Amino acid sequence: DAEITQSPRHKITETGRQVTLACHQTWNHNNMFWYRQDLGHGLRLIHYSYGVQDTNKGEVSDGYSVSRSNTEDLPLTLESAASSQTSVYFCASSVTGDSPQYFGPGTRLTVL
Amino acid sequence: AQSVAQPEDQVNVAEGNPLTVKCTYSVSGNPYLFWYVQYPNRGLQFLLKYITGDNLVKGSYGFEAEFNKSQTSFHLKKPSALVSDSALYFCAVRDMTTDSWGKLQFGAGTQVVVTP
Repeated sequence: DAEITQSPRHKITETGRQVTLACHQTWNHNNMFWYRQDLGHGLRLIHYSYGVQDTNKGEVSDGYSVSRSNTEDLPLTLESAASSQTSVYFCASSVTGDSPQYFGPGTRLTVL
Repeated sequence: AQSVAQPEDQVNVAEGNPLTVKCTYSVSGNPYLFWYVQYPNRGLQFLLKYITGDNLVKGSYGFEAEFNKSQTSFHLKKPSALVSDSALYFCAVRDMTTDSWGKLQFGAGTQVVVTP
């Protein structure tokens, strides 16, 4: 069955370190998204991609970057982790802009 | 700009009673509307969507939602709640007419607690 996976599921890191969160989908979806979930804020869009070599900034993109070298993967990089980036991160994908997004299980990131 | 509000942080209901989770939205054009559910330590799961057509939309697990354009609302409903419906529910909206193709704006979420 097609799926979307994220790794690691839990990560503890220190302030200033570079961290990369992996997202891999086997749906063959062109659209991929990264969100962060914080209490009281719901999900906020960090970056998104409409296809290979395409990346776009979301509403909370500062301190984050993504790259899309193939259809299946959209890794999220925190260039220099900050305590404010402690959160749960979700990756999602969709076929079209009007279709439902399918979410991964999430990565809980703690920055000390 | 697009936005969505879920006015209740938590909804408590007894098993077997009707369940309603409220959502209102604001968009400059016509909306695409979605409901998702999140169980503990899991990703979001799609429940239903409204794009166009009938105002009453039926979705997974016996849930339905009613689109009301005049009140800019898209409330989620279930006639008879189950304990297993206890979860966090998110409403999301996308404006069809702006350069926001594929991007969803999520509400803050409503925790549903169904007691036996």
